[in-house]
Amino acid sequence: EDKVVQSPLSLVVHEGDTVTLNCSYEVTNFRSLLWYKQEKKAPTFLFMLTSSGIEKKSGRLSSILDKKELFSILNITATQTGDSAVYLCAGANAGGTSYGKLTFGQGTILTVHP
Amino acid sequence: DGGITQSPKYLFRKEGQNVTLSCEQNLNHDAMYWYRQDPGQGLRLIYYSQIVNDFQKGDIAEGYSVSREKKESFPLTVTSAQKNPTAFYLCASRPFVAGEQFFGPGTRLTVL
Repeated sequence: EDKVVQSPLSLVVHEGDTVTLNCSYEVTNFRSLLWYKQEKKAPTFLFMLTSSGIEKKSGRLSSILDKKELFSILNITATQTGDSAVYLCAGANAGGTSYGKLTFGQGTILTVHP
Repeated sequence: DGGITQSPKYLFRKEGQNVTLSCEQNLNHDAMYWYRQDPGQGLRLIYYSQIVNDFQKGDIAEGYSVSREKKESFPLTVTSAQKNPTAFYLCASRPFVAGEQFFGPGTRLTVL
């Protein structure tokens, strides 16, 4: 059974801090690792990582994948109150009828105080 | 506007009643998915469909049923056999060769 574990489960920081969110995975026929941000409603897509060691960056957010250690991190620098959300990571399966199937972690609740 | 719509946004039902949640997409995506989210938890996969007239059970399919008669539509029925149906339900879709899924706004179901 595929499994994705995120840590920490919750995190409280002040504006300007840098945070690192962790995601470990065990996914059969692994294809890619995805990060989403969820603010009360639908998750919105942040990154998809397929290759090991190549950092993806979008503004203050960046993410990297380690396929040897089965691990990914999401970094947020100079946090703002608008970064407060649940961050979800998911492993994507590449096998047969399971192609594109995502297994989600529990999520990390990030709270950024002014 | 292209996107995924779910209706209704909030739904209340009495225990023992079946209820159907709507999911429609006009993105021409091939695959569609239903997830359940409970407070403080991640998303758990209920059912998914890669093509029309075909679907597979996810990790928590018991007490749910789906159909995929049209590419645009993937309704989910929560039956009376589902022991704890109160949750936030999210529908998603994915283009055939892409990795990321795109989510609808969700339906919050409360069973009284």
